[in-house]
Amino acid sequence: QLRLQESGPGLVKPSETLSLTCTVSGGSISSTTYYWGWIRQPPGKGLEWIGSLFYTGTTYNNPSLKSRVTMSIDTSDNQFSLKLSSVTAADTAVYYCARHLRSYDSLTGYYVVDSNDYWGQGTLVTVSS
Amino acid sequence: DIQMTQSPSSVSASVGDRVTITCRASQDISTWLAWYQQKPGKAPRLLIYAASTLQSGVPSRFSGSGSGTDFTLTISSLQPEDFATYSCQQTDSFPLTFGGGTTVEI
Repeated sequence: QLRLQESGPGLVKPSETLSLTCTVSGGSISSTTYYWGWIRQPPGKGLEWIGSLFYTGTTYNNPSLKSRVTMSIDTSDNQFSLKLSSVTAADTAVYYCARHLRSYDSLTGYYVVDSNDYWGQGTLVTVSS
Repeated sequence: DIQMTQSPSSVSASVGDRVTITCRASQDISTWLAWYQQKPGKAPRLLIYAASTLQSGVPSRFSGSGSGTDFTLTISSLQPEDFATYSCQQTDSFPLTFGGGTTVEI
């Protein structure tokens, strides 16, 4: 059974960098069948996609977070990571890592980042001094 | 960005009721639409993808329909474990976006 587990500090000071790692077990992060991603949810609010990545290192980011997001993947440790710089209180949220289906779009002939079929339990990150 | 609008934001229902939740996209997303169930303090659970494909292990009382801009999630006979928040997600184009959620409550 696939399992994803987020890890990282639960408290980050304003203007600093939030760093999280997602460890994948029960499956290979190098699979060509899936993408991997980060989603967050501020307390009492809806879900926000942060970004996704493929085992090759190709990444897709949410423009709303501008250039603050850096994602990377470590196939040897079966992990992927998120860094969010210059955090403010607005970045306080539960951060989830998740696996994306990689689906074929017959109209374009390309594979696309699709829905999330496995999720980590989530980790609350609070931005506060 | 594609905006996803869900309605209603909450619905009161009883066990055995048929519940329908709607999700509208701000532009045509074909069938690139997923539905999730989320319970308090838990991660979302994928119910349906490609607008109408039931994820493995999800009870058949859940169904999805629609294409283009209008989509529906139906629970045919509400069970006690179905009281939760349901969210839609479009995967047609970046950035991927979610609806605001619909809470199904007693």
